[in-house]
Amino acid sequence: DVKVTQSSRYLVKRTGEKVFLECVQDMDHENMFWYRQDPGLGLRLIYFSYDVKMKEKGDIPEGYSVSREKKERFSLILESASTNQTSMYLCASTTAGANTGELFFGEGSRLTVL
Amino acid sequence: GESVGLHLPTLSVQEGDNSIINCAYSNSASDYFIWYKQESGKGPQFIIDIRSNMDKRQGQRVTVLLNKTVKHLSLQIAATQPGDSAVYFCAETGSGNTGKLIFGQGTTLQVKP
Repeated sequence: DVKVTQSSRYLVKRTGEKVFLECVQDMDHENMFWYRQDPGLGLRLIYFSYDVKMKEKGDIPEGYSVSREKKERFSLILESASTNQTSMYLCASTTAGANTGELFFGEGSRLTVL
Repeated sequence: GESVGLHLPTLSVQEGDNSIINCAYSNSASDYFIWYKQESGKGPQFIIDIRSNMDKRQGQRVTVLLNKTVKHLSLQIAATQPGDSAVYFCAETGSGNTGKLIFGQGTTLQVKP
């Protein structure tokens, strides 16, 4: 059974803290994505990666960075957390190729920044 | 800019009835569309997709309809069951071939027993 695993389901952090959200997939997928999900706004793409060491900005990259040192792992980093980064964060992966619509999502990490 | 939107944030249907969830998109160059289902506490899950050279595609109890003239996409669920209660998102690949998806805001489907 294919799986995308996000290390933390729930986190509570303080303003200014550095936050790491980890994501691991076991499907040997080339493409990995980080989205945030907010009520009324749907899913918005933060960053994505098509290969190891490679990263591309999504629609809302400000305040975030990412790391992809290994193919199976894609980390989202909040250098200095702020209250407006309180959200649900979703990691996804898919195989390489044109118009691949079937993203496999993790169960999400709900981050609260106080 | 590109945007994908759903007409209604919440849809309530009686168990056994058919459900229709609608979505409008703005990019006429989009050629691939997908529906996702997100159950409470879980990540979104792929339901069905359709390419722009098709008008209709059927799965198990679900049908997706694409009207390119008015840039409208719909998901029909036959004989809606309590397990269909979830948030449904439409998504498109937008312009270019980046592999990125643009998601709509989501419609919450509530199934009444």
